[in-house]
Amino acid sequence: DAGVIQSPRHEVTEMGQEVTLRCKPISGHDYLFWYRQTMMRGLELLIYFNNNVPIDDSGMPEDRFSAKMPNASFSTLKIQPSEPRDSAVYFCASSSPHGTSGRISSSYNEQFFGPGTRLTVL
Amino acid sequence: RKEVEQDPGPFNVPEGATVAFNCTYSNSASQSFFWYRQDCRKEPKLLMSVYSSGNEDGRFTAQLNRASQYISLLIRDSKLSDSATYLCVVILPDSSYKLIFGSGTRLLVRP
Repeated sequence: DAGVIQSPRHEVTEMGQEVTLRCKPISGHDYLFWYRQTMMRGLELLIYFNNNVPIDDSGMPEDRFSAKMPNASFSTLKIQPSEPRDSAVYFCASSSPHGTSGRISSSYNEQFFGPGTRLTVL
Repeated sequence: RKEVEQDPGPFNVPEGATVAFNCTYSNSASQSFFWYRQDCRKEPKLLMSVYSSGNEDGRFTAQLNRASQYISLLIRDSKLSDSATYLCVVILPDSSYKLIFGSGTRLLVRP
């Protein structure tokens, strides 16, 4: 089965441009998470969704960042306008409280990460 | 104070060595704990959960000390393929799905 899919894998843009990152979660997973990773700040949760509804966006750094999940198989993270300090690796992850057996898994909050999008803003 | 703190390392050990990492957390009500592994330029992946009674998975042993608010990861008989960054993860009491990651401890296993 395919894991979490992210696109693009690499993005280089100029300051002020709009950037859109895309994510397809694992089929059947009802939680989706967006993270940002930098050397200085480590891995930070930006926002997460449950059944396509944003639950906690307290990690979104400012109004330039927005995220949507129009359906269960697709989410976007948009930065407009982008700034050099937004340069980072952005990960999408998904999870489900039910393991493959359909029962609550002992690792029900295991998150499966996509390969990430490496963003460079010049 | 950070919610989850780790020694960044790197820990540089020879193949076959035993190495241990600790991680401290600030919220005494934290409910769940994990170790994730992240290879260079790759995504994090769950290594193991940490249970109150401690748990072992092959060469890896994880333990929780609630009184002192730390968790540990012990790796026995280190392999070259164990070289990676190990991320300590905590779930805070107000959310079952919001993972708080430590900054990671880097391990280098040399031949």
